[in-house]
Amino acid sequence: EADIYQTPRYLVIGTGKKITLECSQTMGHDKMYWYQQDPGMELHLIHYSYGVNSTEKGDLSSESTVSRIRTEHFPLTLESARPSHTSQYLCASSGPNPYGYTFGSGTRLTVV
Amino acid sequence: DQQVKQNSPSLSVQEGRISILNCDYTNSMFDYFLWYKKYPAEGPTFLISISSIKDKNEDGRFTVFLNKSAKHLSLHIVPSQPGDSAVYFCAASAPGGSYIPTFGRGTSLIVHP
Repeated sequence: EADIYQTPRYLVIGTGKKITLECSQTMGHDKMYWYQQDPGMELHLIHYSYGVNSTEKGDLSSESTVSRIRTEHFPLTLESARPSHTSQYLCASSGPNPYGYTFGSGTRLTVV
Repeated sequence: DQQVKQNSPSLSVQEGRISILNCDYTNSMFDYFLWYKKYPAEGPTFLISISSIKDKNEDGRFTVFLNKSAKHLSLHIVPSQPGDSAVYFCAASAPGGSYIPTFGRGTSLIVHP
């Protein structure tokens, strides 16, 4: 079944650690996105990609970086985690229908 | 500066009654509107959408109404069921460019048995 997968689902990590949040999709979608969302707040776009070797920053300034070496894989990396990075991170993809977003289940990150 | 506003953080409704979730937007360039449903610890899932050329779109128990002059849309759920309890996000897209939607802050719907 075509889907979008995020790992880990939950992560508690110490300040200063480097972390990579994984996102993979099996739908062959060209477009992929990372959102950050806190309870009671809107989803903020932090990175997006329109295809292999294409990445752009979103509306919300973020200290994270992304890469898109393969169509199906769009990992997000924090070089040095800080408590202010504590949030839920949602990955999404879309195909020929530009409005047809599919979201992953998210990674709940806590930096202590 | 929020371009998509959901002014009610929460809504409580009795099972079987109608739930009405509201959304206002400020950008007159938005021409496509979407509603997503999100359960705790899950990602949002697409629920229903409407193009600006329509004023109503219906899918089973879910109906979205669009009032372009008021820059307002609403999601009606009839009849409401306990399984509808979730956070509902309104989103809007502008033509051209990236189609990336702008999201509201969500409304938490609780449907009591």
